[in-house]
Amino acid sequence: DQQVKQNSPSLSVQEGRISILNCDYTNSMFDYFLWYKKYPAEGPTFLISISSIKDKNEDGRFTVFLNKSAKHLSLHIVPSQPGDSAVYFCAARATGANSKLTFGKGITLSVRP
Amino acid sequence: NAGVTQTPKFRILKIGQSMTLQCTQDMNHNYMYWYRQDPGMGLKLIYYSVGAGITDKGEVPNGYNVSRSTTEDFPLRLELAAPSQTSVYFCASTYGRGEDTQYFGPGTRLTVL
Repeated sequence: DQQVKQNSPSLSVQEGRISILNCDYTNSMFDYFLWYKKYPAEGPTFLISISSIKDKNEDGRFTVFLNKSAKHLSLHIVPSQPGDSAVYFCAARATGANSKLTFGKGITLSVRP
Repeated sequence: NAGVTQTPKFRILKIGQSMTLQCTQDMNHNYMYWYRQDPGMGLKLIYYSVGAGITDKGEVPNGYNVSRSTTEDFPLRLELAAPSQTSVYFCASTYGRGEDTQYFGPGTRLTVL
């Protein structure tokens, strides 16, 4: 049973526009959420995170929003750039779980020049 | 710092062969993890370790073994390779406290024929 769901496998946006990547979770014990970015033939790299005590966290062009009641988070990239083209994984962690992460299947983002 | 390093980058095994995937981190992280990523899927946790001499099973441990004799190294052993173990394997590490994140190695692509 998937506890972290990224239901859209791919997203294509024009350069300069906003990219919105969605993620849903089912486990109410999750209290820390992360987004990782992965290029082909490389390992995932950390992008941005949010604690369950917040509803928004911003870092430059990247903003993550958390809606706890809906068990939903989203990553906004504004403006999108061709270098943002990659696979984005949503991950979640529960306190006391030895920092273990549960990952979604990932979303392939393509930013068209 | 080299971060998390993994060897080999690629390997082809025949059914029934064995091999060890190496993982080393130079960040003095306490926690280390092994994941596998199958095509179109997220990362699934195989084994993890919270310190030297301590290991525990993740979501998909069958067919694998690990050991953690030092803080730096966390090798993953495949004893009798099967086609179902064809995957990309990622090692990760973290301090394991607070809102820290996991740092990933570049991965090992394993094919079992």
